[in-house]
Amino acid sequence: SAVISQKPSRDICQRGTSLTIQCQVDSQVTMMFWYRQQPGQSLTLIATANQGSEATYESGFVIDKFPISRPNLTFSTLTVSNMSPEDSSIYLCSVSLGLKVGGETQYFGPGTRLLVL
Amino acid sequence: KQEVTQIPAALSVPEGENLVLNCSFTDSAIYNLQWFRQDPGKGLTSLLLIQSSQREQTSGRLNASLDKSSGRSTLYIAASQPGDSATYLCAVAFYGNNRLAFGKGNQVVVIP
Repeated sequence: SAVISQKPSRDICQRGTSLTIQCQVDSQVTMMFWYRQQPGQSLTLIATANQGSEATYESGFVIDKFPISRPNLTFSTLTVSNMSPEDSSIYLCSVSLGLKVGGETQYFGPGTRLLVL
Repeated sequence: KQEVTQIPAALSVPEGENLVLNCSFTDSAIYNLQWFRQDPGKGLTSLLLIQSSQREQTSGRLNASLDKSSGRSTLYIAASQPGDSATYLCAVAFYGNNRLAFGKGNQVVVIP
């Protein structure tokens, strides 16, 4: 199993500012994922962050808006840049212990609840 | 398009009744299917993982079945308790897509 922590747990931000969310895992993992969950909606994958390579972004998400760092096998950050109220969501970090999605259980952090005014 | 659907979106049951939650998916070519629980404002907790070669998985009061040919999974929660109140999410790992596809969830309220 994997235990994942995220910082901050919640924040209230002004539009136009940026917030960096940290994700720490208690074991080394290859695959890390960042999801967004907008109010009343299910999870949407933002990007996959594998150590040693550039993050892979899903359709509708771009690096300028959501830059990601993955400096080692236990840590990643997601920055939400130039925020607007539409960015108000829960942001979740997730890991897969296998080498590909579907091999094993995927684990999730507690999430960062973001409100943009 | 590979999609996951959960119906109903919300349901309420009296305490002690069995809960039946349904998940359907559009493509039978899957690696596995996973059921998660999400409490308000919280992250996701994995409940059960069913590999594509399996028909069901059980953990305590929870039982999840998988029928790939019909594109369906059912999560049974026996003798529901107020602590079972949460949103239950179904997620599918489809072949050819290195990501999970999530349904919108079943929001469950167990009434004492």
